[in-house]
Amino acid sequence: AQSVAQPEDQVNVAEGNPLTVKCTYSVSGNPYLFWYVQYPNRGLQFLLKYITGDNLVKGSYGFEAEFNKSQTSFHLKKPSALVSDSALYFCAVREWGNFNKFYFGSGTKLNVKP
Amino acid sequence: GAVVSQHPSRVICKSGTSVKIECRSLDFQATTMFWYRQFPKQSLMLMATSNEGSKATYEQGVEKDKFLINHASLTLSTLTVTSAHPEDSSFYICSASVTGGRANTGELFFGEGSRLTVL
Repeated sequence: AQSVAQPEDQVNVAEGNPLTVKCTYSVSGNPYLFWYVQYPNRGLQFLLKYITGDNLVKGSYGFEAEFNKSQTSFHLKKPSALVSDSALYFCAVREWGNFNKFYFGSGTKLNVKP
Repeated sequence: GAVVSQHPSRVICKSGTSVKIECRSLDFQATTMFWYRQFPKQSLMLMATSNEGSKATYEQGVEKDKFLINHASLTLSTLTVTSAHPEDSSFYICSASVTGGRANTGELFFGEGSRLTVL
């Protein structure tokens, strides 16, 4: 069975500082991993994905994520946080076949303070 | 990227009535769409997988007679909450992935969500 875990309910960071939102995964087979962001009362927006290739994946709005197979992690990072980055972030894993279901983590609320 | 349109964004209804939510893929065909429910400050719960031209596949614990899903075309799926009650109040989100050939980029594209309030 596929699953992802986001160990932090909330992450607080000052504007201009680097940020990390953690995600670990458990999959059978190759992992297909994604990060999404959700603003209040909105749907989810795609940030980035890892399917294969380079372990460092670059995505939208200056975000990047590092795939680490030995630690089964896919942490989301940004070198310099903006107040506008404050939102809810979801890590997800896709199950190929079986209707290609996505399984989402519990979400991490990122608060960037001025 | 691909665009998924969801309507209505907000709906308020009386207990006992039915509410229909539409999900459309605007610039791509989606043989499969997914319906999620999100409770306040919680993650997304997959309710069902909607397949064009066939019956939806519901997740365990989701009442198929309560949440009717129809996927009549490659660009439209609907979720009908029948005989709604206050406990059905929630944020419902649909999503779809681009299927087939080079268009399959792997990620899901989400609608903007529908906030249902049952009085």
